[in-house]
Amino acid sequence: KAGVTQTPRYLIKTRGQQVTLSCSPISGHRSVSWYQQTPGQGLQFLFEYFSETQRNKGNFPGRFSGRQFSNSRSEMNVSTLELGDSALYLCASSARDRGRGGDFFGQGTRLTVV
Amino acid sequence: LAKTTQPISMDSYEGQEVNITCSHNNIATNDYITWYQQFPSQGPRFIIQGYKTKVTNEVASLFIPADRKSSTLSLPRVSLSDTAVYYCLVGDLNTGGFKTIFGAGTRLFVKA
Repeated sequence: KAGVTQTPRYLIKTRGQQVTLSCSPISGHRSVSWYQQTPGQGLQFLFEYFSETQRNKGNFPGRFSGRQFSNSRSEMNVSTLELGDSALYLCASSARDRGRGGDFFGQGTRLTVV
Repeated sequence: LAKTTQPISMDSYEGQEVNITCSHNNIATNDYITWYQQFPSQGPRFIIQGYKTKVTNEVASLFIPADRKSSTLSLPRVSLSDTAVYYCLVGDLNTGGFKTIFGAGTRLFVKA
């Protein structure tokens, strides 16, 4: 059974550009969550989607947005990139509703903003 | 959301049992306790989840006292590959909001 797949694995963007990251959850998983991880702030929750609806949201500016498609695949977008957006972006999917049994994380997308 | 407190770091030697305690004094009735492990440049990996008493799986055990104000993750006979950061999360699985708080975690160093 394939795990959570995130693409691309590495990305370099210029300040002011926008970026779209993709996440394919484990087959059958309907919940997808996104996190940002930096050395200084640790793991920070961005948002969670379930059946194409956002049901939890972290404390990030509106430049960070996401969506989920009918096949549960999810994308997150960051507009007007800032240097501080450089981070490891992680996606996680849940086997059962509401996190019971834990989430399964992907390898992440390493975004560098120059 | 219940706030958790864990030691920042711990050292151990190969073959020893490691116990990492997490304090969550304001845990609510519907809250569950979930532990994750994370290696550098990888996503966290689910270890174990429980509500009360003791939960055991092939990787670890989770001990939760009757008052549920703390929990202890027990790793039997650790190896060098268990060197990682361990996170304790507490929250209501019905809302999923506990996912918002990962905290700093506990950095475990296993020495030869």
